[in-house]
Parts: sequence; structure tokens; C-alpha cells
Amino acid sequence: AQSVTQPDIHITVSEGASLELRCNYSYGATPYLFWYVQSPGQGLQLLLKYFSGDTLVQGIKGFEAEFKRSQSSFNLRKPSVHWSDAAEYFCAAYTSGTYKYIFGTGTRLKVLA
Amino acid sequence: GAVVSQHPSRVICKSGTSVKIECRSLDFQATTMFWYRQFPKQSLMLMATSNEGSKATYEQGVEKDKFLINHASLTLSTLTVTSAHPEDSSFYICSAREKKAEPRGRQYFGPGTRLTVL
Repeated sequence: AQSVTQPDIHITVSEGASLELRCNYSYGATPYLFWYVQSPGQGLQLLLKYFSGDTLVQGIKGFEAEFKRSQSSFNLRKPSVHWSDAAEYFCAAYTSGTYKYIFGTGTRLKVLA
Repeated sequence: GAVVSQHPSRVICKSGTSVKIECRSLDFQATTMFWYRQFPKQSLMLMATSNEGSKATYEQGVEKDKFLINHASLTLSTLTVTSAHPEDSSFYICSAREKKAEPRGRQYFGPGTRLTVL
């Protein structure tokens, strides 16, 4: 069955530290991959997406993600975290033709001052 | 960028009543809209897919008679929770997919509707 896994439920980092959020997928073929951020009680904001081509994808707010086919991973990174980055982060995927997202369980990021 | 709105943003209702939630694409035509449900501190689960002018397709385990979906136009889809019960309390989020060839036909998410059933 198709699935998206985010192994880390909670992550705490200090402001200014680097960040990496993990995401693995299980699909028959390489899906389209996304990272979304959700603030409490809010909808989803797209950070970045990967369809094809360059495996290092740049997004908004200083985020980037790297697609690694051999590891079925699409990890999100940021070199220096800001307090405003505290939120819930969702990795998601869908395959061509379905457009139906499968979301990971989310990683809640806490930023220490 | 494209905007998707949801109305209402919050609704509190009594058990047994029906609640309608609207999802609108404000500046683009959406061939397909999706409805998701999110329980507290959990991920989004797809409930159903609606295509303009046709019946919605429901995911396994979702009661179609309880969650009525209507996609009357290319900019509007509605979700009606019929005879709501406390266990239906949740955060409902819609998304709308642009009428463009994929993968350029992006999906845009609405801000969500918090439903509380007393």
C-alpha cells in the first residue's frame, strides 16, 4: 500500500540551529512529493514540491528538501531555524492521475529561544 | 497566488443537526476538489474527491450518506455533515485542484473549518 512516513513526531531545536525533518515514502513509482506547514488552527501552506529534475529543491522561508530515490526519502532542511518556524510539518505525496494526497503523520517542531 | 476559502471557519452545533461547509476557489477554476478530515494532533485523512458535475468518490470507511458532497460549479464544493454527532467534531479542510494539465495543476488548500458538535 502507498504510504508516507514521518518517523519523528516531535522535534525540538534551538533558534539558530539547523533542522532536518525526515520523510520516507512507499509507492510503486516515484510520486510527486511535497512539504506543507500548518500553524495551530490554520490550513496548510506549501513549502516546496518535487516533480522531477534537480533533486535538491528550494522552497519558501529558507527551506530546502532533497529527493533521494535510493532511500525513498524527501527530507526537509533549514540551515538556521527561527522561532516563527515552530509549527506542524507534513510531508505528502500523490501519483500521476490520482491527485489524491497521502499525508505523513506530521512532525511538530518546537523552537527554543 | 490562488486562494481557496472555506465558510464557516468555525461552527458549533447541537447533536442531530446538519451542518454545511462551503469550499470556494476564488480566482481559478477547480475541476476537482478534495475534502479532508483532521483529528487533533493527527494528520489529514482524505474523505472524498468531488468532480464538478459528477458524484463524489468516497474513501473507504467514509459514510457517503453522512457526509454529503456537492460540486455544483467549477468554483464551489459543499460538504454537509448530516445528523451530526460529537464524534464528527473535527477540523475539515478542503483543497481545490486547478484546471490545468498536471503536474502544473496545483492543489490549493483552504484554511479549514472547525466543527464542534455538542
